[in-house]
Amino acid sequence: EVQLVESGGGLVQPGGSLRLSCAASGFTFSSYWMSWVRQAPGKGLEWVAHIGQDGSEIYYVDSAKGRFTISRDNAKNSLYLQMDSLRAEDTAVYYCARGRTTFDPWGQGALVTVSS
Amino acid sequence: QSVLTQPPSASGTPGQRVTISCSGSSSNIGRNTVSWYQQLPGTAPKLLISNTNQRPSGVPDRFSGSKSGTSASLAISGLQSEDEADYYCAAWDDSLTGQCVFGTGTKVTVL
Repeated sequence: EVQLVESGGGLVQPGGSLRLSCAASGFTFSSYWMSWVRQAPGKGLEWVAHIGQDGSEIYYVDSAKGRFTISRDNAKNSLYLQMDSLRAEDTAVYYCARGRTTFDPWGQGALVTVSS
Repeated sequence: QSVLTQPPSASGTPGQRVTISCSGSSSNIGRNTVSWYQQLPGTAPKLLISNTNQRPSGVPDRFSGSKSGTSASLAISGLQSEDEADYYCAAWDDSLTGQCVFGTGTKVTVL
């Protein structure tokens, strides 16, 4: 079964950092682009970043540039999102998803709350 | 930065046909394929339509996608109570380097 499981969410103060992880199983992880998509409370979906199969191609939404870093470890079938200089507006459920423009499947999500 | 516009809500009675629009521009829907996602309350989104009009395995044929110019549509025929959910469109945007954009989302209510 193809599965994605996020971890690492939690409460962090404004200006702080957090690292999300996404463990993949059931498919050849190294063959796929991987993405992070977030959803603020009561709001819609927002694409955050994606990374190519070997990590050489990386793109971010403008609001994440310079603060977030997406990475992957194909040997560990894992995707990461390092989030620095966090702001209140980064509060959201963060989903990892397989793919670049068609996202399938999605993980269950990790809640990140930025608050003092 | 939603650049794809959807109506906030849509509704219908069981058995009816409901259509959701997704309006974009020449840099996204106009030149790229569209995908659609269903998000049931309290759950992660699920792929409903890929490549504008293709249903993944397991998605009922009540769901169909289409595109014309810079707009796309998702149709739900034979509406069922379990279709009550939020629906989002998405597309690659050539004007935003390497970026994907989602629609604003549509809440479908089964009356």
